[in-house]
Amino acid sequence: DGGITQSPKYLFRKEGQNVTLSCEQNLNHDAMYWYRQDPGQGLRLIYYSQIVNDFQKGDIAEGYSVSREKKESFPLTVTSAQKNPTAFYLCASSTPLSGSGYEQYFGPGTRLTVT
Amino acid sequence: QKEVEQNSGPLSVPEGAIASLNCTYSDRGSQSFFWYRQYSGKSPELIMSIYSNGDKEDGRFTAQLNKASQYVSLLIRDSQPSDSATYLCAVNKLTGGGNKLTFGTGTQLKVEL
Repeated sequence: DGGITQSPKYLFRKEGQNVTLSCEQNLNHDAMYWYRQDPGQGLRLIYYSQIVNDFQKGDIAEGYSVSREKKESFPLTVTSAQKNPTAFYLCASSTPLSGSGYEQYFGPGTRLTVT
Repeated sequence: QKEVEQNSGPLSVPEGAIASLNCTYSDRGSQSFFWYRQYSGKSPELIMSIYSNGDKEDGRFTAQLNKASQYVSLLIRDSQPSDSATYLCAVNKLTGGGNKLTFGTGTQLKVEL
């Protein structure tokens, strides 16, 4: 089956610990994205990557890091520097369509709770 | 001013009625527009995309775009209880770093029996 997988679905960590969230896609999409979603705030872009070995900061990159060593994988590390890490984390990927089209698809998400 | 604005709702409609969801955006350079449906506790699902002015229909869904007014809407005909969800409007702009989506905070739709 083609799609985007994120693991684990739920993750619990103690404050001060770094944690890495997994995102894998087998859609052969070039671009991948990380968002976080908090209640009532919609989705906010953390990092994105258009090609392997290249990535850009989004709107709320502080306290996060990413890598893009393979086209299929875009892991996100939530560091201890992130002040409010508890959130729903969503990975997405996209591919250009014919003409100027473009569509972005989401994985199932990881719900991170830090106490 | 928020880049993408939606009424948070909830918008309540009776089963079988037309639900109308609205979204405005601030950046005139925006090129592509999307509607996502998100059920509680789940990830967003792409249901409509629209790239040019006018209407685009797909089954019970119609997306409408008016770039001059910076307005995009989603109509859901014959609303069903299963349509009850939060609907996110997203706007795309091609930047030097690639395509980036900006999301509204979503409108909660409730379809009542």
